[in-house]
Amino acid sequence: QVQLQQSGPGLLKPSQTLSLTCAISGDSVSSKSATWNWIRQSPSRGLEWLGRTFYRSNLYNDYAVSVKGRITINPDTSRNQFSLQLNSVTAEDTAVYYCARERDWAGFDPWGQGTLVTVSS
Amino acid sequence: DIQMTQSPSSLSASQGDRVTITCRASQAISNHLSWYQQKPGKVPKLLIYAASTLQSGVPSRFSGSGSGTDFTLTISSLQPEDVATYYCQKYNSAPLTFGGGTRVEIK
Repeated sequence: QVQLQQSGPGLLKPSQTLSLTCAISGDSVSSKSATWNWIRQSPSRGLEWLGRTFYRSNLYNDYAVSVKGRITINPDTSRNQFSLQLNSVTAEDTAVYYCARERDWAGFDPWGQGTLVTVSS
Repeated sequence: DIQMTQSPSSLSASQGDRVTITCRASQAISNHLSWYQQKPGKVPKLLIYAASTLQSGVPSRFSGSGSGTDFTLTISSLQPEDVATYYCQKYNSAPLTFGGGTRVEIK
């Protein structure tokens, strides 16, 4: 059974960097059949896909236009996890953040437990 | 980018009713569409992928159909535990956009 466990701080000040980690059990971040995703949810923006990292012949990343230039998603094969960094946060980045796996074109499953990140001075 | 539009945004139906939610893509996405159920305060749960394939463990009253730009999620007999918000998502290529959601309530 695959499980994703999120960790990271829940309170940030404007201009700081959001850093979250998603630890994987039961699968491998280096799998060539999976992609590893970050999603956030807020009342104003609904469910918003932020980006993904995945291995095929090489390492690939895709990012949402709304956060491009501020976001980095990295795999860590030694710890079997992947991370999200979002720079220069503002109050608009306040949301619940989720990690999720997609495997074999079969939708996002499982999801991490979610982390409420609040940006406030 | 491809936009995903769900309708209605909310609905109220009686227990046992047949409920249909639609999702329209602004461009064709083949069958690369998933449906999720989210109950208040909970993590989204995958119901259907590849437009019509039921995720393991999901009750058979849920079904999905469609291809190209128009998709539907049907609950054949609405149960109290189905009260939730339902989201579609495209995954043919990045960005993997979600629809705006449909809130389902029991009358």
